[in-house]
Amino acid sequence: QAVVTQEPSLTVSPGGTVTLTCGSSTGAVTSGHFPYWFQQKPGQAPRTLIYDTSNKHSWTPARFSGSLLGGKAALTLSGAQPEDEAEYYCLLSYSGARVFGGGTKLTVL
Amino acid sequence: EVQLVESGGGLVQPGGSLRVSCAASGFTFSDHYMDWVRQAPGKGLEWVGRSRNKANSYTTEYAASVKGRFTISRDDSKNSLYLQMNSLKTEDTAVYYCTRVTDWGQGTLVTVSS
Repeated sequence: QAVVTQEPSLTVSPGGTVTLTCGSSTGAVTSGHFPYWFQQKPGQAPRTLIYDTSNKHSWTPARFSGSLLGGKAALTLSGAQPEDEAEYYCLLSYSGARVFGGGTKLTVL
Repeated sequence: EVQLVESGGGLVQPGGSLRVSCAASGFTFSDHYMDWVRQAPGKGLEWVGRSRNKANSYTTEYAASVKGRFTISRDDSKNSLYLQMNSLKTEDTAVYYCTRVTDWGQGTLVTVSS
């Protein structure tokens, strides 16, 4: 089974920009992995931010964007807000099976 | 509005069985693939498995950790998704979420303990 890797933790200043990445043990992440990004706050269910690399859900704030960057999937937050402090997970698809990354704890400080 | 409501969680002994359900509304359930995802206490998200739609013959996929023990099924006439869990282990303790990946339920807690 593939292993999906994310930064364990990142810190961003309010109003700052940060990029979270999602890599695959099988090689470069492509659009064919249909990358998803989710936000989860303590005690809450996950919430989908990005699907199929760069598509936003209706509730996804404009400050979040998804892309492919350097062989990884990437989630960029531009203009961080205190309410963006959360755990972020990526999900990749592999010929039917799906694998989550271990999550990135984002601190806005 | 899309709604996914899980039910059926609870306490079960190791080696036991449990079935959790998910009631869907607000979208055409029969058109969609549906997944189960779980989260052990204090841990990250783990994909459990998926049910494809009728057009794809309701085929299923499973994570290696549950293959052979868990079975996903669905009843499109009831807009419902199910997860039958057999031979449960303590490491199966988790909140189980029903999701079509763009939308999530609130989850149901399954505790495997003696």
